[in-house]
Amino acid sequence: RKEVEQDPGPFNVPEGATVAFNCTYSNSASQSFFWYRQDCRKEPKLLMSVYSSGNEDGRFTAQLNRASQYISLLIRDSKLSDSATYLCVVNYNQAGTALIFGKGTTLSVSS
Amino acid sequence: DTEVTQTPKHLVMGMTNKKSLKCEQHMGHRAMYWYKQKAKKPPELMFVYSYEKLSINESVPSRFSPECPNSSLLNLHLHALQPEDSALYLCASSQNSGNTIYFGEGSWLTVV
Repeated sequence: RKEVEQDPGPFNVPEGATVAFNCTYSNSASQSFFWYRQDCRKEPKLLMSVYSSGNEDGRFTAQLNRASQYISLLIRDSKLSDSATYLCVVNYNQAGTALIFGKGTTLSVSS
Repeated sequence: DTEVTQTPKHLVMGMTNKKSLKCEQHMGHRAMYWYKQKAKKPPELMFVYSYEKLSINESVPSRFSPECPNSSLLNLHLHALQPEDSALYLCASSQNSGNTIYFGEGSWLTVV
């Protein structure tokens, strides 16, 4: 059974706040992990891949805990433009492999 | 701008119509995907093609028929759809299956 579970939203934060999103996955054989961002009525776009050692891209930090099957995304110094839905994505091995999306967490940053 | 191109951007079709959604990528990717997305829901995997062969069919009804004419093209043929099939249909590609995927802008489908 393939499942990717995310924090329920929405998250409403002021500009400058730090916000963290969490995600758990059920398939212990998964090897690739990503955070995608989706704006209203737009396609999902890759925000960042998630590596075992953790990785940072500017204000964004992603962490992976394979033992707990847990992924996180930390956004520091939130901007209005960060308002979007953040999708946790995990690869799933079946006959081939494909990426499965969590339900997403909506972030709204206000001034 | 996305390098995955989908046409048409919008499609309205009746329940007895036959139509097709088209997708093209020129990034040399060998895996291509169809996802379906309803409002306020995540993208839901429908089909995966790997090296032009269908590798995953997520129990999609036969009224949706995928086709991969070559490594750059992916079609989704639609026939006898239901109003509940109205959604955003997203095509995506990746270098190989399981890698980072890149989405097209999607085709907004309305079945009347």
